[in-house]
Amino acid sequence: SAVISQKPSRDICQRGTSLTIQCQVDSQVTMMFWYRQQPGQSLTLIATANQGSEATYESGFVIDKFPISRPNLTFSTLTVSNMSPEDSSIYLCSVERWANNEQFFGPGTRLTVL
Amino acid sequence: KQEVTQIPAALSVPEGENLVLNCSFTDSAIYNLQWFRQDPGKGLTSLLLIQSSQREQTSGRLNASLDKSSGRSTLYIAASQPGDSATYLCAVKEGGGNKLTFGTGTQLKVEL
Repeated sequence: SAVISQKPSRDICQRGTSLTIQCQVDSQVTMMFWYRQQPGQSLTLIATANQGSEATYESGFVIDKFPISRPNLTFSTLTVSNMSPEDSSIYLCSVERWANNEQFFGPGTRLTVL
Repeated sequence: KQEVTQIPAALSVPEGENLVLNCSFTDSAIYNLQWFRQDPGKGLTSLLLIQSSQREQTSGRLNASLDKSSGRSTLYIAASQPGDSATYLCAVKEGGGNKLTFGTGTQLKVEL
């Protein structure tokens, strides 16, 4: 399985500020994804991070709010912009193994917005 | 729109018991199904992946089955241990896409 790390592991932020979350994988992967898990809820896909092109966003998520970068095949960032308390969630990146399409997840970033 | 449901939402069992977690999905045109476990405040650990052409997969004390036509999967845990206590999530990947649609989860507690 892929080894995935995220930074920061947690943060407490003020309303109106932005936070950038980093995701690093120990091997090159084609597919990287960003998910959100709101308190007491299951995971929801935010977007697919595409290397060399703009991310593909799911319904209900927009680039202005969640800009994503994917500069190479092992790294991606997700920014949560102009935060409000409703953005308090765990944000997780995941990668898909090419051989059998199995997905692996990072440890998550727990964000609290005051 | 694919919807994934897991029953029960919570389960408490004594150590050593065998148990079954259920997952159902509304659209049977899936590519694969994955079971995960999530410990409190942590990320997800992949347990088992079943391709749409497979009926079951086994890993140690875990066995997952898939009945695609009826939209059901089960995760069987044998001889449960306190270390199995976690939330178990199933997720389906639809054909032609990359997105995983997650179930609501079953919170399992195995007591001494």
